[in-house]
Amino acid sequence: SQQGEEDPQALSIQEGENATMNCSYKTSINNLQWYRQNSGRGLVHLILIRSNEREKHSGRLRVTLDTSKKSSSLLITASRAADTASYFCATDNDYKLSFGAGTTVTVRA
Amino acid sequence: DAGVIQSPRHEVTEMGQEVTLRCKPISGHNSLFWYRQTMMRGLELLIYFNNNVPIDDSGMPEDRFSAKMPNASFSTLKIQPSEPRDSAVYFCASSLNTEAFFGQGTRLTVV
Repeated sequence: SQQGEEDPQALSIQEGENATMNCSYKTSINNLQWYRQNSGRGLVHLILIRSNEREKHSGRLRVTLDTSKKSSSLLITASRAADTASYFCATDNDYKLSFGAGTTVTVRA
Repeated sequence: DAGVIQSPRHEVTEMGQEVTLRCKPISGHNSLFWYRQTMMRGLELLIYFNNNVPIDDSGMPEDRFSAKMPNASFSTLKIQPSEPRDSAVYFCASSLNTEAFFGQGTRLTVV
């Protein structure tokens, strides 16, 4: 069963714009992770935020976590065509990683 | 390290045949995951090993699926007998308690 639910399912933006996607989950977590998947490839880890953290940055990525609402958001700033991919949140509960359905992001040149 | 290695990359088999997917995790990692990805169901966790021991196999669809991890450097996922609805991309991933590293996947087609 899937733990996380991403929103929106799909997102189309112009190059240079920001992309925001959200993730909601159901149970307690140790940490929450975001991954990217390019078409036909395996998932690649982007960023991890621990349950006692509220915000984290990595390059053009900004992740927030609200454990009271059981939700997280991923912001990609100044998007590029190479950011076109599917993005998944994954909840870590005792090292068991469960993924949501993903958000497909298309960045138009 | 070459990363997580899965074989084969593609497998086409006839319904009823046995299929074995293989995975070599990253050396030193203590957790190994098998996932199945389809358009309809997304990315499903099938089974999770920690230190070679199956911890959670609640995602294994039915008795036709079995997974083993005989040692820290090898795991298999077996489907017997295979059915057309098993067609999917199967991913293996390994981790050392934090981020997971994924293999390139095995695209299975059962005809």
